[in-house]
Amino acid sequence: KNQVEQSPQSLIILEGKNCTLQCNYTVSPFSNLRWYKQDTGRGPVSLTIMTFSENTKSNGRYTATLDADTKQSSLHITASQLSDSASYICVVRKRNQGGKLIFGQGTELSVKP
Amino acid sequence: EPEVTQTPSHQVTQMGQEVILRCVPISNHLYFYWYRQILGQKVEFLVSFYNNEISEKSEIFDDQFSVERPDGSNFTLKIRSTKLEDSAMYFCASMSGTSFDHTQYFGPGTRLTVL
Repeated sequence: KNQVEQSPQSLIILEGKNCTLQCNYTVSPFSNLRWYKQDTGRGPVSLTIMTFSENTKSNGRYTATLDADTKQSSLHITASQLSDSASYICVVRKRNQGGKLIFGQGTELSVKP
Repeated sequence: EPEVTQTPSHQVTQMGQEVILRCVPISNHLYFYWYRQILGQKVEFLVSFYNNEISEKSEIFDDQFSVERPDGSNFTLKIRSTKLEDSAMYFCASMSGTSFDHTQYFGPGTRLTVL
């Protein structure tokens, strides 16, 4: 079954600290993997996209990794800020499926001062 | 920066009533999607729409649901006879479909409450 699982379910860190969020997927055939940030009551916003051939990609303080062999991805956030508090969702797109996205349940990140 | 907009932001309806959720995708985008998120659960795919027809739909998208692009700018989701379990956040998304951008851009969502 095509699934995306994330851990941890929730995370509390102090402002300025780093954190890493994990994603495992069983989606096949794989097209790409994105990390989305979803603020409460808002739509998801894309942070990074990883294709099969990419191992690491950075977007400012966000660095995503992908291991297509083990079907694992991580999102590392450095020097966290209060505005980073949100749900971070791992989303996988199936190849040849018209763009259908399969969402993980998200990691709820809370950054405290 | 262009964005996807959705109206209303919150819709309250009685069970059995019809509702229409409206979306204005980013202009010149060609692919359109509806997703829903029941409170505390994952975002779930409902339907994708391209070239004026449904290209894929999930098992959730049964005969009670329909989509339309009535005038070239709006993209609507209709639920004919709402059930309590239809209460959720409904997100519209659009994608340009060009070779260099396969990002789906999401709207802010419509919160549907069925009483």
